[in-house]
Amino acid sequence: EAGVAQSPRYKIIEKRQSVAFWCNPISGHATLYWYQQILGQGPKLLIQFQNNGVVDDSQLPKDRFSAERLKGVDSTLKIQPAKLEDSAVYLCASSLVGLAGSYNEQFFGPGTRLTVL
Amino acid sequence: SQQGEEDPQALSIQEGENATMNCSYKTSINNLQWYRQNSGRGLVHLILIRSNEREKHSGRLRVTLDTSKKSSSLLITASRAADTASYFCATGRAGGTSYGKLTFGQGTILTVHP
Repeated sequence: EAGVAQSPRYKIIEKRQSVAFWCNPISGHATLYWYQQILGQGPKLLIQFQNNGVVDDSQLPKDRFSAERLKGVDSTLKIQPAKLEDSAVYLCASSLVGLAGSYNEQFFGPGTRLTVL
Repeated sequence: SQQGEEDPQALSIQEGENATMNCSYKTSINNLQWYRQNSGRGLVHLILIRSNEREKHSGRLRVTLDTSKKSSSLLITASRAADTASYFCATGRAGGTSYGKLTFGQGTILTVHP
């Protein structure tokens, strides 16, 4: 079974530039998550999709971050414009359908390490 | 905000010894999960324990959950150098429309010396 795919693996940009990350979840996984992991910290949820609908984006800085999941499969996370504090690893994860009150393990991709100079 | 707090922040042991990591949380949960992260990699799920369970085993892993104290522990027995990684607890909140959302702690860095 193929795992969660992410690209690119590394990205270096100047502040105020734009950047986009791509994620392809495990086939059949309805729920997709984007996390931000700053060095030395645990992952912080940015946005959660159920199929192609947003379930939770309460911690997404919406003035500069956006995400979409067209057709309920692949997803793209964009930062525009980037700030120095956005330097982090961006992790994508997927899980089987997460009905209200349910819980499943999440499968993570390798992440994209973003450096903002 | 991070719900789980792991203790210790870092743990260094010799191969063959047992490693114990603790996690405390603040709100009511319906499940708690432990994940491992090797340097430069994504997280890998280790074990899930439901709020109505007290102990769970998987190979060399043993997880306990005490909902009255809002705490969990992960025990790795007979550790190996390959167990060197960061370990995170993650909690799923009870009630509402949680849809499987997890809140991760800060992690424990485990180093196992050969």
